[in-house]
Amino acid sequence: GENVEQHPSTLSVQEGDSAVIKCTYSDSASNYFPWYKQELGKRPQLIIDIRSNVGEKKDQRIAVTLNKTAKHFSLHITETQPEDSAVYFCAASITNSGYALNFGKGTSLLVTP
Amino acid sequence: DVKVTQSSRYLVKRTGEKVFLECVQDMDHENMFWYRQDPGLGLRLIYFSYDVKMKEKGDIPEGYSVSREKKERFSLILESASTNQTSMYLCASSLAGGATNEKLFFGSGTQLSVL
Repeated sequence: GENVEQHPSTLSVQEGDSAVIKCTYSDSASNYFPWYKQELGKRPQLIIDIRSNVGEKKDQRIAVTLNKTAKHFSLHITETQPEDSAVYFCAASITNSGYALNFGKGTSLLVTP
Repeated sequence: DVKVTQSSRYLVKRTGEKVFLECVQDMDHENMFWYRQDPGLGLRLIYFSYDVKMKEKGDIPEGYSVSREKKERFSLILESASTNQTSMYLCASSLAGGATNEKLFFGSGTQLSVL
């Protein structure tokens, strides 16, 4: 099955700096790559996703890039704020395949004021 | 707004007990999933279901079974609980497959402690 590797496992940045989280996947057939954010004590929630026919997607301060050739995708958060502190999970899947999402192990992001 | 409800927020059980974790969603979603979350290990898929009475094994099904008798309800069963099953269990649901329907909606989780 699909194997998703996520780095780094922890990341600490100062408020206003940028944060980048990287993921790699093993199955070249994967075509859907979501990112979930889990604040402390809360449930994971989808924040952005990208499909394999797109190289980059932006939503305000967050963006995701995809390199299909290298089989990696990244989450970029600009102008970080303390409320960005959370655990972020990347995932990969093949749509309509009958396979569920495979998640990375998560990145704990801490934004210090 | 989609609501995924897990019956218990905290649960304490003894080794060898049979444990039922219940999950109900109110948005007529076809797909339902059970994950467990452990520090440093992320979200690992236990079982999922694409339809009533259907189930598929995930990455770590050993020691677990599931039941989906009704579309809105997906139960996770620990036949004989063991201490290594102490974990946070997250249920999720989504609409059937399609270009726009993969978003997972998670429940708030059940923290299970097996003593």
